[in-house]
Amino acid sequence: SYALTQPPSVSVSPGQTARIACSGDALPKQYTYWHQQKSGQAPVLVIFKDTERLSGIPERFSGSSSGTTVTLTIEGVQAEDEADYYCQSRDSSGTYWVFGGGTKLTVL
Amino acid sequence: QVQLVQSGAEVKTPGASVRVSCKGSGYTFTRYDMNWVRQGAGQGLEWMGWMNTDTGYRVYAQKFQDRVTMTRDTSTSTAYLELNSLTSEDTAIYYCARGGDEGKFDWGQGTLVTVSS
Repeated sequence: SYALTQPPSVSVSPGQTARIACSGDALPKQYTYWHQQKSGQAPVLVIFKDTERLSGIPERFSGSSSGTTVTLTIEGVQAEDEADYYCQSRDSSGTYWVFGGGTKLTVL
Repeated sequence: QVQLVQSGAEVKTPGASVRVSCKGSGYTFTRYDMNWVRQGAGQGLEWMGWMNTDTGYRVYAQKFQDRVTMTRDTSTSTAYLELNSLTSEDTAIYYCARGGDEGKFDWGQGTLVTVSS
């Protein structure tokens, strides 16, 4: 079955830039969505359709796409950004949703 | 504003079934799909399926095809997830998520289902 691959963890110091990649064969033809999940909370959508930022999400969050890899970038990371981040997309047929395994962002 | 309010925590024995509800408000219920996603303890998000709340058409993830049923009651704007033949591996938080415009998900608060003998 189709899978999206993310690194298990990323660590950055406050003020630095965090980049979280997500790879999948169908990503060139399917949009990607990024969800932030803080400890003990439900997920929250932060980026949709590869690059669109949801209203109310800080401008330091951005998304980009290149071939089979999409990337969530957080510039000027703050302590409050520490969370798990999940990419989400559809398989090549567009029928099924799939989530990546998640990336734990640690702010040192 | 959009709100998805889920039913309370459940404790079930192995082999039993569970039904989780998700009541939508602040929008026209039948205009948007409803997805169900679960998350085991310390695990990632796992998509289970979606339902067209207008027509009732459903698509289930292959992993759950044999034992999941998604339904809805349009008169109360409530979606339901039923999962049968529970095992300890089904212990998880179950989320409903409205599939909004442009594929955007709006999440419910989650329902903890514990399967234990």
